[in-house]
Amino acid sequence: DVKVTQSSRYLVKRTGEKVFLECVQDMDHENMFWYRQDPGLGLRLIYFSYDVKMKEKGDIPEGYSVSREKKERFSLILESASTNQTSMYLCASSLWETGGTGELFFGEGSRLTVL
Amino acid sequence: AQSVTQLDSHVSVSEGTPVLLRCNYSSSYSPSLFWYVQHPNKGLQLLLKYTSAATLVKGINGFEAEFKKSETSFHLTKPSAHMSDAAEYFCVVSGGGFKTIFGAGTRLFVKA
Repeated sequence: DVKVTQSSRYLVKRTGEKVFLECVQDMDHENMFWYRQDPGLGLRLIYFSYDVKMKEKGDIPEGYSVSREKKERFSLILESASTNQTSMYLCASSLWETGGTGELFFGEGSRLTVL
Repeated sequence: AQSVTQLDSHVSVSEGTPVLLRCNYSSSYSPSLFWYVQHPNKGLQLLLKYTSAATLVKGINGFEAEFKKSETSFHLTKPSAHMSDAAEYFCVVSGGGFKTIFGAGTRLFVKA
């Protein structure tokens, strides 16, 4: 069974803290994505990566950075968390050849609260 | 440019009655279209996808969607709702590169 695993389901952090959200996939997918999900706004793309050490900005990259040192792992970093980054964060992966047109496989999400 | 509009934020049906979740899209390319479902506290799961083959697409759990180019619509239907269908549903358009646009979502309530 294919799997995308997000290590933390629920996090509570203080304003200004550095936050790491980890995502691991076991499907040997080249593409990995970080989305933010907010009620009434659907999913918005923060960053994506199509290869190890490669990263591209999505629609809302401000305040975030990412790291992809290994094919199976894609990390989202909040350098200095702010209250407006309180949200659900979803990681996804897909096969390289599908680009953005193939099926996305999602993790179960990390719900971050910043106080 | 691409966009997607889910016409209803909430839909409520009784168990055993039909489900209709509406989606309109806009795309400069010949788009790929998807419906995903998200159950509470879960990630999203693919229900079905359209990629320019048959216009009527069948998915999992008895769902299907029809691509209507003239109406720029991709509505999701199911003949008979089940309690387990209660979830949030997302219409998605994708057309080139990594540009995937998600609709705002439609929450489906199923009454016993």
